[in-house]
Amino acid sequence: EPEVTQTPSHQVTQMGQEVILRCVPISNHLYFYWYRQILGQKVEFLVSFYNNEISEKSEIFDDQFSVERPDGSNFTLKIRSTKLEDSAMYFCASKGRGASPLHFGNGTRLTVT
Amino acid sequence: AQRVTQPEKLLSVFKGAPVELKCNYSYSGSPELFWYVQYSRQRLQLLLRHISRESIKGFTADLNKGETSFHLKKPFAQEEDSAMYYCALSPGVWQGGKLIFGQGTELSVKP
Repeated sequence: EPEVTQTPSHQVTQMGQEVILRCVPISNHLYFYWYRQILGQKVEFLVSFYNNEISEKSEIFDDQFSVERPDGSNFTLKIRSTKLEDSAMYFCASKGRGASPLHFGNGTRLTVT
Repeated sequence: AQRVTQPEKLLSVFKGAPVELKCNYSYSGSPELFWYVQYSRQRLQLLLRHISRESIKGFTADLNKGETSFHLKKPFAQEEDSAMYYCALSPGVWQGGKLIFGQGTELSVKP
C-alpha cells in the first residue's frame, strides 16, 4: 500500500536557524497538509495545500512558516527562524479526490535547542 | 468554537472487557466525526468515520447529536487494541478541509 514518507525522522536545530521538513505524499493525491503535535498536546492543523496554493491555514501558521511543492513529488514545510516553542512532531498528510480519507506520514520530530 | 474533547488521557482495561473511549465535540453546524488510531511507532491511521456506519476491528461509534458525542466502543478488548486513539472533527462534510483533533486517549489492554 502506498505511504506518505517524511524525512528526516528527527531534526535537531538551534534557535534562529531555518529548517525544512520534507514529505513525499502519495503519488496520485491532490491535497496536502501539515499538522503538528507539541509533546502532550493535541494534533493541530497548520496548513492545507491544493492546486499549488494554500487553501487554508491556522493561526499558528504565521509568516515564519511557508510550504512549497517544488516538483511533482515533494511537499516541504519551512520554518524561517525557529523558536523553542516550535519543538514538536510535525505530520505531513495527503488525500485524494472527494471524501477520501487523510493518509499521514510517520512524522518528523523537530527539537529546537 | 470548534473543539473536540477526550476526557480520559489513559484507559486501562483487561483483555475481554468492554471498552468505551469518550469523545465530545463542540460545533454549531453538522460536522463529520472520525476516530484515528496510532499503534506504537506507527503512523496515524483512520479507524472509522461516522458516515460509514461500519465496524472496524470490532469497534463502532455512533454520532449522538443531542449529546454532541461520538464515543468509540468495543465489546471485548484485545491486547492488540493497545494504542493511542484520537477523535477528530471536520467542520461540515469532509471534502478535504482541516481536521480538529482531541487530545487523544491511550488505551492499554492488559492480559
